[in-house]
Order: sequence, then C-alpha cells, then structure tokens
Amino acid sequence: EPEVTQTPSHQVTQMGQEVILRCVPISNHLYFYWYRQILGQKVEFLVSFYNNEISEKSEIFDDQFSVERPDGSNFTLKIRSTKLEDSAMYFCASSDRTVYQPQHFGDGTRLSIL
Amino acid sequence: KQEVTQIPAALSVPEGENLVLNCSFTDSAIYNLQWFRQDPGKGLTSLLLIQSSQREQTSGRLNASLDKSSGRSTLYIAASQPGDSATYLCAVDQTGANNLFFGTGTRLTVIP
Repeated sequence: EPEVTQTPSHQVTQMGQEVILRCVPISNHLYFYWYRQILGQKVEFLVSFYNNEISEKSEIFDDQFSVERPDGSNFTLKIRSTKLEDSAMYFCASSDRTVYQPQHFGDGTRLSIL
Repeated sequence: KQEVTQIPAALSVPEGENLVLNCSFTDSAIYNLQWFRQDPGKGLTSLLLIQSSQREQTSGRLNASLDKSSGRSTLYIAASQPGDSATYLCAVDQTGANNLFFGTGTRLTVIP
C-alpha cells in the first residue's frame, strides 16, 4: 500500500538555525498537510496546501514557517529561525480529495531544538 | 473555537472484551469526524471517517457512531485483541477543507 514518507526521522538543531523537514506524499494525492504534536499534547493543524498554494493555515503557522512543493514529489516545511518551543513531532499528511477522503499520515519527524 | 475531548484518557481491558471510546466536540457544525490510531513512534492511521450526514461507519471489528446534534461520537471495538493496543484519536473537520481538530486521545491497553 502506498505511504507517505518523511525524512529525517529525527532532527536536532541549534536554536536560531533554519530547518527543512521533507515529505513525499502519496503520488496521486492532491492535498497536502502539516501537523505538529508537542510531547504530551494534542496533534495540531499547521497548514494545508493545494494546487501549489496554501489553502488554510493556523495561528501557529506564522512568518517563521513556509511550505513548498519544489518538484512533483516532495513537500517541505521550513522553519526559518527555530525556537525552543518548536520542538515537537511534525507530521505530513496527504489526501486525494477533501471532505470525504481520509488523510494518510507519515511517521513524523521528531524535531529537537537545543 | 472547536474543542475536542476524549474520555477516558487511558483504558486497560482484558483480551476479548468489547469496549467503547468516547469523543465529544463543542461545535456541532462539522463536515466529518475521523477516528485514527497512533502506535508509539509512528504516524496516524485512519480507521473510520463519518460524514456529517451519516450516523455510523463500520470496518471489521470497529464501529463508529456520530450524533452531531449532541456533539458526540463513539468508537466501539469488539472482541479486543492485544494488537489493538494503541492511542486512539478522534478529529473533526470544521471547514470541509480536511483541516482537522484533534482530541487528546485515549491510550488503550489490551491485556493478553
């Protein structure tokens, strides 16, 4: 069964550094999402992406965050200047349609900011 | 703002028992509700999706119900097995764009 793959599985970065988290969604999917889960807390929506532009973003997704689909297969989340509170598990997800289709999630990237 | 709550936070049952997990949400204007399973160190696996016009969905030993007007959903697991041990999350789609609000989860342990 096709899956969403995320790399790296664990990223350790110094505070203030830029980090790029990478995702390869399922190949025929059109809608892409990023979520994060701070340890012990709920999974939180960050951003959705369709047709090469952001569809919706949450309050968390401020100017420090950006997303890109640089080619036909990758979907990236960039954090420009990381803060300690950005430490979390980041999940990428994709679906082939909205509303009636479930999202398929990757296994996540654990981001640790030192 | 939508709030999604799951009770209980943790549940331990002996193998073979039937069980019910609860999810409640404060704003009943939803497009769909989804149940996910999360294994330690892994991503989320979609189990069932109930559209707002539906009352329930079934997949194998799993049955999810939705009462939109009262803001509640239940996930029923029949004849539980040790392999069912995981954290179960419910999530609601508020806007139809599939941007999900998640609950806090119920950590289920099925004892052999």
